[in-house]
Amino acid sequence: QKEVEQNSGPLSVPEGAIASLNCTYSDRGSQSFFWYRQYSGKSPELIMSIYSNGDKEDGRFTAQLNKASQYVSLLIRDSQPSDSATYLCAVRYSGAGSYQLTFGKGTKLSVIP
Amino acid sequence: EPEVTQTPSHQVTQMGQEVILRCVPISNHLYFYWYRQILGQKVEFLVSFYNNEISEKSEIFDDQFSVERPDGSNFTLKIRSTKLEDSAMYFCASSEAVGQGLGAFFGQGTRLTVV
Repeated sequence: QKEVEQNSGPLSVPEGAIASLNCTYSDRGSQSFFWYRQYSGKSPELIMSIYSNGDKEDGRFTAQLNKASQYVSLLIRDSQPSDSATYLCAVRYSGAGSYQLTFGKGTKLSVIP
Repeated sequence: EPEVTQTPSHQVTQMGQEVILRCVPISNHLYFYWYRQILGQKVEFLVSFYNNEISEKSEIFDDQFSVERPDGSNFTLKIRSTKLEDSAMYFCASSEAVGQGLGAFFGQGTRLTVV
C-alpha cells in the first residue's frame, strides 16, 4: 500500500516569510514527486515536480527531495496572501505500467497579511 | 494555454441513475486519468487510460464504472447505477507522457451529487 503523509495544518505564516511544507512517502520505488496547489473548491494545479535528490528551484518555489529519508518538501519564499491554499504532495511509482499519482491529504497554508 | 475541459461542472442525479462525465484532455497528451475527491478528503485515483485501453484501475473502479474515448478528443467516465457514496468531485487529468518529473494536468472538475 503506497502512502503519502502530510501534516494537515493549518500552517500560518506572515506575509513575506518562508513557508515550509513537508511530505513523506512509503514506497521506495517511487520515482517522481509533485506539488499541487488546490484553492478551496477548485482543482489541483501543478506547481512543481522533482525526481532527483537535491533541490529544484522555480521562482519563489523550491522543491527538495531526499530519497534515502523518503522525504519531499516545498519551500515558498516571500509568501503572499494569494499563496493561501491547500498544498498537495503527489507521488508516482512508475513501475510495471503504473502511472497513477498517489496524493497526500494536503497541508492548508494560510499567509497572514 | 491548453487546458483540460470537463462538462458538466455540476451534475445532480437520483440514486440508481446512470451518469456520464465528459472530458476533453489537452490535445497532444497521450495519458488520461480520472480521479475523485470526496468533500474534505484526499484526491483518489480511479483509472488511467493509454493507447485506447485501461492501463490501471483502483479498487474504487468497480463494475459500475467504465471509461471510453469515443473519438479523438473526448474521454468519458460512466457510472452505471449511482450510489449516495459516489457523491464527490470528479477530476479528469491528462499528461503528455509519464517520464520522470512529468506531471498530470487537471480539469476544473465535475461535482456529482447523488440524491
